[in-house]
Amino acid sequence: GDSVTQMEGPVTLSEEAFLTINCTYTATGYPSLFWYVQYPGEGLQLLLKATKADDKGSNKGFEATYRKETTSFHLEKGSVQVSDSAVYFCALSAPSAGGTSYGKLTFGQGTILTVHP
Amino acid sequence: KAGVTQTPRYLIKTRGQQVTLSCSPISGHRSVSWYQQTPGQGLQFLFEYFSETQRNKGNFPGRFSGRQFSNSRSEMNVSTLELGDSALYLCASSFYLDRPYEQYFGPGTRLTVT
Repeated sequence: GDSVTQMEGPVTLSEEAFLTINCTYTATGYPSLFWYVQYPGEGLQLLLKATKADDKGSNKGFEATYRKETTSFHLEKGSVQVSDSAVYFCALSAPSAGGTSYGKLTFGQGTILTVHP
Repeated sequence: KAGVTQTPRYLIKTRGQQVTLSCSPISGHRSVSWYQQTPGQGLQFLFEYFSETQRNKGNFPGRFSGRQFSNSRSEMNVSTLELGDSALYLCASSFYLDRPYEQYFGPGTRLTVT
């Protein structure tokens, strides 16, 4: 079945450091890929997305490129801020058997990011 | 545009009881998916509804059920609660019928079973 593997955390960085969170996936077919972020006590917020090979999703300084050859979708940010402290989830959406539904997201285990001033 | 709303936000139930959680999607969104989030298992897909029909289902026992109404609002029900059902239950809505199928999440309902 489909699966997503994220680098283990937690990740602790100083403000303005470079961030990389690795994500690799296994899926049948051609999935769409997402990064979601969860702040304490809140639901998930969509951070960025990509739907085909070599697509680059970007938002709020975060970027990720859909690499089909390495089945990866690594999240990067050039200069993190304290406000980026949160849990980050990589996820994929692939069609169900029969292709009638894309409504199931398969998530990685999440990576806790803490940024210190 | 208002986001996805979930009620109640917090719930405490006793083992053996049943519970109903409610989700109102973003206006215009017709698809609703439900997820369970626990520290041990992470985020797991429960089911998806579109136009009042269940289109996809995760690997959960039959005690977990759901439905969707004609206004796209959705409810999920858990019968005969077990301690392991304690979790954050997240609802997500989507407008699109196919890719990229962005899902927008509500704040969740925190269920504690004692």
